[in-house]
Amino acid sequence: EAGVVQSPRYKIIEKKQPVAFWCNPISGHNTLYWYLQNLGQGPELLIRYENEEAVDDSQLPKDRFSAERLKGVDSTLKIQPAELGDSAVYLCASSLAGFDTQYFGPGTRLTVL
Amino acid sequence: GESVGLHLPTLSVQEGDNSIINCAYSNSASDYFIWYKQESGKGPQFIIDIRSNMDKRQGQRVTVLLNKTVKHLSLQIAATQPGDSAVYFCAENGAGGTSYGKLTFGQGTILTVHP
Repeated sequence: EAGVVQSPRYKIIEKKQPVAFWCNPISGHNTLYWYLQNLGQGPELLIRYENEEAVDDSQLPKDRFSAERLKGVDSTLKIQPAELGDSAVYLCASSLAGFDTQYFGPGTRLTVL
Repeated sequence: GESVGLHLPTLSVQEGDNSIINCAYSNSASDYFIWYKQESGKGPQFIIDIRSNMDKRQGQRVTVLLNKTVKHLSLQIAATQPGDSAVYFCAENGAGGTSYGKLTFGQGTILTVHP
């Protein structure tokens, strides 16, 4: 069974530029998560989707971050414009439901110059 | 505030030894805990989980112990191998009800296994 797929794996951009990350969850998983992981720290939840609905986006900086999961499968996380402090690893995870095991993708390492 | 944390940031062991990684949590309502392993350049990998109605759960070479009285859990790895070298995180999955789905991670413990 294929795991969570993320792309790109690495991205280097200059500050004030836009950037987008893509995630394809494990087939059949209704719940999708985006996490932010800073160096040396554990992941922190940005947003959680139940099918197409964002049920928890309280930690998403909405002035510059946006996310969508239009058909309840793939998801895209966007930053516009990027700031130096956004340099981090962006992880996508999925689970059958909110109380089930979350499986993580490999992440996208973003560097903002 | 609510938090999940680790006592030791680093652990160094010899191959074949048993390893114990500890984690403390502060939310007494927490009822679902997970251990993840994260290797360099990879996402967290599920190891084992435990719910609050249990105090011990065993997997392949791993055991998780939960002490609700002192709000502490530990991960024991038997016969540690070099491939076990990674950062280990404990995480809490909400505190029931609508808060399920939000993992709160501790800072992580770096496990280094020497051949």
